[in-house]
Amino acid sequence: GQNIDQPTEMTATEGAIVQINCTYQTSGFNGLFWYQQHAGEAPTFLSYNVLDGLEEKGRFSSFLSRSKGYSYLLLKELQMKDSASYLCAVRDHGSSYKLIFGSGTRLLVRP
Amino acid sequence: KAGVTQTPRYLIKTRGQQVTLSCSPISGHRSVSWYQQTPGQGLQFLFEYFSETQRNKGNFPGRFSGRQFSNSRSEMNVSTLELGDSALYLCASSFSNTEAFFGQGTRLTVV
Repeated sequence: GQNIDQPTEMTATEGAIVQINCTYQTSGFNGLFWYQQHAGEAPTFLSYNVLDGLEEKGRFSSFLSRSKGYSYLLLKELQMKDSASYLCAVRDHGSSYKLIFGSGTRLLVRP
Repeated sequence: KAGVTQTPRYLIKTRGQQVTLSCSPISGHRSVSWYQQTPGQGLQFLFEYFSETQRNKGNFPGRFSGRQFSNSRSEMNVSTLELGDSALYLCASSFSNTEAFFGQGTRLTVV
Protein backbone atom coordinates (compact mmCIF):
# COMPACT_ATOMS: atom_id res chain seq x y z
CA GLY A 1 0.00 0.00 0.00
CA GLN A 2 0.88 3.66 -0.07
CA ASN A 3 1.29 5.48 3.21
CA ILE A 4 2.87 8.81 4.01
CA ASP A 5 2.84 10.06 7.59
CA GLN A 6 3.58 13.49 8.94
CA PRO A 7 2.50 15.26 12.13
CA THR A 8 -0.83 17.05 11.91
CA GLU A 9 0.18 20.26 13.65
CA MET A 10 3.28 21.94 15.01
CA THR A 11 3.88 25.23 16.79
CA ALA A 12 7.13 27.16 16.88
CA THR A 13 8.42 30.60 17.82
CA GLU A 14 9.51 33.32 15.43
CA GLY A 15 13.28 33.16 14.88
CA ALA A 16 13.53 29.52 15.98
CA ILE A 17 14.21 26.34 13.98
CA VAL A 18 11.59 23.68 13.33
CA GLN A 19 11.91 20.19 11.83
CA ILE A 20 8.92 18.55 10.15
CA ASN A 21 9.27 14.80 9.74
CA CYS A 22 7.81 12.58 7.06
CA THR A 23 7.88 8.80 6.86
CA TYR A 24 6.72 6.90 3.82
CA GLN A 25 5.92 3.40 2.67
CA THR A 26 5.20 3.33 -1.02
CA SER A 27 5.32 0.64 -3.69
CA GLY A 28 7.67 2.76 -5.77
CA PHE A 29 9.94 5.74 -5.26
CA ASN A 30 11.05 8.32 -7.76
CA GLY A 31 11.80 11.29 -5.53
CA LEU A 32 10.40 13.11 -2.49
CA PHE A 33 9.01 16.62 -2.58
CA TRP A 34 8.08 19.23 -0.03
CA TYR A 35 5.45 21.84 -0.79
CA GLN A 36 4.20 24.82 1.21
CA GLN A 37 0.53 25.73 1.08
CA HIS A 38 -0.98 28.83 2.62
CA ALA A 39 -4.69 28.71 3.33
CA GLY A 40 -6.71 29.21 0.16
CA GLU A 41 -3.65 29.19 -2.07
CA ALA A 42 -1.88 26.75 -4.38
CA PRO A 43 0.90 24.53 -3.08
CA THR A 44 4.32 25.98 -3.90
CA PHE A 45 7.42 23.88 -4.42
CA LEU A 46 10.07 23.99 -1.68
CA SER A 47 12.46 21.10 -2.25
CA TYR A 48 13.17 17.84 -4.02
CA ASN A 49 15.30 14.90 -2.89
CA VAL A 50 15.95 11.79 -4.92
CA LEU A 51 19.29 10.74 -3.41
CA ASP A 52 20.12 10.32 0.28
CA GLY A 53 21.40 13.37 2.07
CA LEU A 54 20.69 16.98 2.74
CA GLU A 55 19.59 19.59 0.21
CA GLU A 56 19.88 23.20 1.37
CA LYS A 57 18.09 26.16 -0.15
CA GLY A 58 18.28 29.35 1.87
CA ARG A 59 16.32 29.03 5.12
CA PHE A 60 14.92 25.65 4.05
CA SER A 61 16.72 22.30 4.03
CA SER A 62 15.40 18.84 3.30
CA PHE A 63 16.90 15.48 4.18
CA LEU A 64 16.21 12.05 2.75
CA SER A 65 17.05 8.51 3.85
CA ARG A 66 15.66 6.05 1.32
CA SER A 67 16.62 2.99 3.38
CA LYS A 68 14.60 4.31 6.33
CA GLY A 69 11.74 5.73 4.26
CA TYR A 70 12.29 9.02 6.06
CA SER A 71 12.59 12.67 5.24
CA TYR A 72 12.50 15.92 7.12
CA LEU A 73 12.10 19.57 6.24
CA LEU A 74 14.11 22.01 8.34
CA LEU A 75 13.04 25.62 8.52
CA LYS A 76 15.49 28.07 10.08
CA GLU A 77 15.02 31.64 11.33
CA LEU A 78 11.28 31.21 11.34
CA GLN A 79 9.15 34.12 10.19
CA MET A 80 5.46 34.74 10.76
CA LYS A 81 4.85 34.22 7.04
CA ASP A 82 6.07 30.62 7.41
CA SER A 83 2.76 29.78 9.09
CA ALA A 84 1.28 27.41 6.53
CA SER A 85 0.71 23.73 5.76
CA TYR A 86 3.73 21.73 4.65
CA LEU A 87 3.05 18.80 2.39
CA CYS A 88 5.35 15.82 1.94
CA ALA A 89 4.87 13.97 -1.36
CA VAL A 90 6.48 10.94 -2.96
CA ARG A 91 6.63 10.58 -6.71
CA ASP A 92 5.52 7.15 -7.78
CA HIS A 93 7.78 5.00 -9.94
CA GLY A 94 7.48 4.90 -13.70
CA SER A 95 7.46 7.56 -16.34
CA SER A 96 4.17 9.18 -15.39
CA TYR A 97 4.15 12.12 -13.01
CA LYS A 98 2.07 11.00 -10.03
CA LEU A 99 2.58 12.47 -6.57
CA ILE A 100 1.34 10.71 -3.44
CA PHE A 101 0.77 13.26 -0.69
CA GLY A 102 0.77 13.05 3.05
CA SER A 103 -2.02 14.82 4.90
CA GLY A 104 0.17 17.83 5.57
CA THR A 105 1.55 19.49 8.69
CA ARG A 106 0.00 22.78 9.80
CA LEU A 107 2.74 24.97 11.22
CA LEU A 108 1.85 27.91 13.42
CA VAL A 109 4.61 30.43 14.07
CA ARG A 110 4.03 32.52 17.18
CA PRO A 111 5.70 35.88 17.93
CA LYS B 1 6.57 33.50 -17.58
CA ALA B 2 2.91 32.83 -16.80
CA GLY B 3 2.07 30.17 -14.23
CA VAL B 4 -0.51 27.43 -14.33
CA THR B 5 -3.96 28.89 -14.94
CA GLN B 6 -7.15 27.21 -13.82
CA THR B 7 -10.65 28.34 -14.66
CA PRO B 8 -13.07 28.96 -13.19
CA ARG B 9 -11.81 29.74 -9.68
CA TYR B 10 -15.14 29.06 -8.02
CA LEU B 11 -18.13 27.01 -9.05
CA ILE B 12 -21.43 26.05 -7.46
CA LYS B 13 -23.34 23.15 -8.95
CA THR B 14 -26.37 21.07 -8.04
CA ARG B 15 -26.31 17.34 -7.37
CA GLY B 16 -26.70 15.39 -10.59
CA GLN B 17 -25.23 18.07 -12.81
CA GLN B 18 -21.94 17.80 -14.61
CA VAL B 19 -18.96 20.18 -14.57
CA THR B 20 -15.91 20.86 -16.71
CA LEU B 21 -12.77 22.44 -15.29
CA SER B 22 -9.93 23.84 -17.35
CA CYS B 23 -6.18 24.00 -16.83
CA SER B 24 -3.58 25.80 -18.95
CA PRO B 25 -0.07 24.62 -18.07
CA ILE B 26 3.11 26.64 -18.11
CA SER B 27 4.30 27.14 -21.67
CA GLY B 28 6.44 24.17 -22.75
CA HIS B 29 5.15 21.83 -20.07
CA ARG B 30 3.62 18.70 -21.56
CA SER B 31 2.65 16.87 -18.37
CA VAL B 32 -0.56 17.93 -16.67
CA SER B 33 -1.89 16.18 -13.59
CA TRP B 34 -5.05 16.72 -11.56
CA TYR B 35 -5.61 16.41 -7.81
CA GLN B 36 -8.60 16.64 -5.52
CA GLN B 37 -8.04 18.31 -2.15
CA THR B 38 -10.49 17.90 0.72
CA PRO B 39 -10.01 18.54 4.45
CA GLY B 40 -10.51 14.89 5.27
CA GLN B 41 -8.51 13.20 2.52
CA GLY B 42 -5.83 15.73 1.69
CA LEU B 43 -4.46 15.87 -1.86
CA GLN B 44 -5.40 12.85 -3.93
CA PHE B 45 -4.21 12.08 -7.45
CA LEU B 46 -6.89 11.94 -10.12
CA PHE B 47 -5.00 11.46 -13.40
CA GLU B 48 -2.04 12.63 -15.44
CA TYR B 49 -1.80 13.48 -19.12
CA PHE B 50 1.25 13.76 -21.32
CA SER B 51 1.12 14.61 -25.02
CA GLU B 52 -2.65 14.07 -25.12
CA THR B 53 -2.41 10.59 -23.56
CA GLN B 54 -3.52 9.57 -20.09
CA ARG B 55 -0.47 8.00 -18.51
CA ASN B 56 -1.84 7.28 -15.06
CA LYS B 57 -5.12 7.27 -13.20
CA GLY B 58 -5.97 7.38 -9.51
CA ASN B 59 -8.68 5.53 -7.63
CA PHE B 60 -11.67 7.62 -8.55
CA PRO B 61 -14.95 6.46 -10.11
CA GLY B 62 -15.54 6.67 -13.83
CA ARG B 63 -17.59 9.85 -13.32
CA PHE B 64 -14.23 11.62 -13.24
CA SER B 65 -12.63 11.95 -16.64
CA GLY B 66 -10.18 14.19 -18.39
CA ARG B 67 -8.47 14.98 -21.62
CA GLN B 68 -5.56 16.96 -22.96
CA PHE B 69 -5.39 18.97 -26.14
CA SER B 70 -2.54 19.38 -28.61
CA ASN B 71 -1.54 22.68 -26.97
CA SER B 72 -1.21 20.80 -23.62
CA ARG B 73 -4.25 22.49 -22.11
CA SER B 74 -6.29 20.01 -20.12
CA GLU B 75 -9.85 19.66 -18.98
CA MET B 76 -11.42 17.45 -16.37
CA ASN B 77 -15.07 16.54 -16.27
CA VAL B 78 -17.17 15.25 -13.41
CA SER B 79 -20.58 13.87 -14.31
CA THR B 80 -23.56 13.19 -12.06
CA LEU B 81 -22.16 15.34 -9.28
CA GLU B 82 -22.47 14.20 -5.67
CA LEU B 83 -22.22 16.24 -2.48
CA GLY B 84 -18.93 14.49 -1.72
CA ASP B 85 -17.37 15.91 -4.87
CA SER B 86 -17.18 19.31 -3.19
CA ALA B 87 -13.47 20.02 -3.06
CA LEU B 88 -10.59 22.10 -4.33
CA TYR B 89 -9.44 20.70 -7.67
CA LEU B 90 -5.80 21.42 -8.40
CA CYS B 91 -3.93 21.07 -11.63
CA ALA B 92 -0.16 20.79 -11.83
CA SER B 93 2.19 20.98 -14.78
CA SER B 94 5.76 19.79 -15.10
CA PHE B 95 8.49 19.84 -17.71
CA SER B 96 11.06 17.45 -16.36
CA ASN B 97 11.30 14.88 -13.62
CA THR B 98 11.67 17.52 -10.92
CA GLU B 99 9.07 19.84 -9.50
CA ALA B 100 5.45 20.20 -10.51
CA PHE B 101 3.89 23.65 -10.46
CA PHE B 102 0.36 24.00 -9.20
CA GLY B 103 -2.42 26.30 -10.30
CA GLN B 104 -4.63 28.23 -7.87
CA GLY B 105 -7.30 25.58 -8.13
CA THR B 106 -11.03 25.51 -8.76
CA ARG B 107 -13.18 25.38 -5.66
CA LEU B 108 -16.24 23.30 -6.50
CA THR B 109 -19.26 23.31 -4.21
CA VAL B 110 -22.04 20.83 -4.86
CA VAL B 111 -25.38 21.66 -3.25
